[in-house]
Amino acid sequence: GQQVMQIPQYQHVQEGEDFTTYCNSSTTLSNIQWYKQRPGGHPVFLIQLVKSGEVKKQKRLTFQFGEAKKNSSLHITATQTTDVGTYFCAGRNNDMRFGAGTRLTVKP
Amino acid sequence: GAGVSQSPSNKVTEKGKDVELRCDPISGHTALYWYRQRLGQGLEFLIYFQGNSAPDKSGLPSDRFSAERTGESVSTLTIQRTQQEDSAVYLCASSPFGQLSYGYTFGSGTRLTVV
Repeated sequence: GQQVMQIPQYQHVQEGEDFTTYCNSSTTLSNIQWYKQRPGGHPVFLIQLVKSGEVKKQKRLTFQFGEAKKNSSLHITATQTTDVGTYFCAGRNNDMRFGAGTRLTVKP
Repeated sequence: GAGVSQSPSNKVTEKGKDVELRCDPISGHTALYWYRQRLGQGLEFLIYFQGNSAPDKSGLPSDRFSAERTGESVSTLTIQRTQQEDSAVYLCASSPFGQLSYGYTFGSGTRLTVV
């Protein structure tokens, strides 16, 4: 069945450093979504990518969807302490499958 | 309502008891989803409702788990004869249209602890 793998599982950075999380699917996806879950909170929708090779930006966050629509990445430039949380990708084929998430911690 | 509402926010129950978790989706959202999240883990799909269609129950881990939804309103997730392994946060989410192009809005979850 469809699987969505996300790496790394954890990432600890110094404030101001960049951060990237990667999402890979075993099957071609119709779209991919990204969510952020703050510690103790619930996932919050960030963005959706639909087109092959699509790139979207939200301030310091850059989201990419691979040409083959099987992988995606989220890159944060110059991390801040407010970026702390777990970032999940969710890929849709016939149904939606979430990756296991990347937990980001930021040292001030 | 303005957001997805879940109740109770916390539930502690004894092993073997039944529990019922409630989800109030955003008004007008036809799709409703239940996920389970164990401590420090990802989101495990449980069940999906879309309008009046038959639900997708493919994620329910055992026959102790069941869920209902009447039309496009409230949903209840019932766990019978709870086990310690059922301890987790149960998250409900809704979206405006089926499995198409909208992000999910999650509720704050019900933290279930089975002792």
